[in-house]
Amino acid sequence: NAGVTQTPKFQVLKTGQSMTLQCAQDMNHEYMSWYRQDPGMGLRLIHYSVGAGITDQGEVPNGYNVSRSTTEDFPLRLLSAAPSQTSVYFCASSRWTPNTGELFFGEGSRLTVL
Amino acid sequence: GENVEQHPSTLSVQEGDSAVIKCTYSDSASNYFPWYKQELGKRPQLIIDIRSNVGEKKDQRIAVTLNKTAKHFSLHITETQPEDSAVYFCAASMTNTGNQFYFGTGTSLTVIP
Repeated sequence: NAGVTQTPKFQVLKTGQSMTLQCAQDMNHEYMSWYRQDPGMGLRLIHYSVGAGITDQGEVPNGYNVSRSTTEDFPLRLLSAAPSQTSVYFCASSRWTPNTGELFFGEGSRLTVL
Repeated sequence: GENVEQHPSTLSVQEGDSAVIKCTYSDSASNYFPWYKQELGKRPQLIIDIRSNVGEKKDQRIAVTLNKTAKHFSLHITETQPEDSAVYFCAASMTNTGNQFYFGTGTSLTVIP
């Protein structure tokens, strides 16, 4: 049981390049989401999904695209990287129960855009 | 949308003392309030959570209190230990919206041996 797996862990891009951050979970969680973490700003929701085929925008969706073709996978695409997208990205999955809605995070992906 | 504010941004305590971190939220429809701990270079991990139908919850040295009327909730850590040093995040969510969590900006806690 690997939990939430993110790749790559580190990536350097040039402005204008595109890339995809991969996220996979093996816990059969219906909910998945992407957050970015910037110093002094906490974790901000980029996009989220409540199940396969369903995605929606979070607080800071501009410049990012997502899809959810399977329950397990939730890739995040940067369409045309900008220096403002330099950040640490976390993928998370969760399942609501009567007691908790715990988010299980991946290890994070540190992205630098030059 | 929801707005979560967290204070203080940094906190230093002596080992054995208590630490308190406070958060406020803006949307009265929020009904689930988790706290996450993030050690340096690691992923955030849930340490305690509370639903709006409960005023207080305790798990060994950590406790969370919720005041729905005032829209604030707090994390209390007693008998602090050096391994409690980390960044702590509060969050708010509505259980019927699926997976939208709104996080505070974090508190960097340092426990001085």
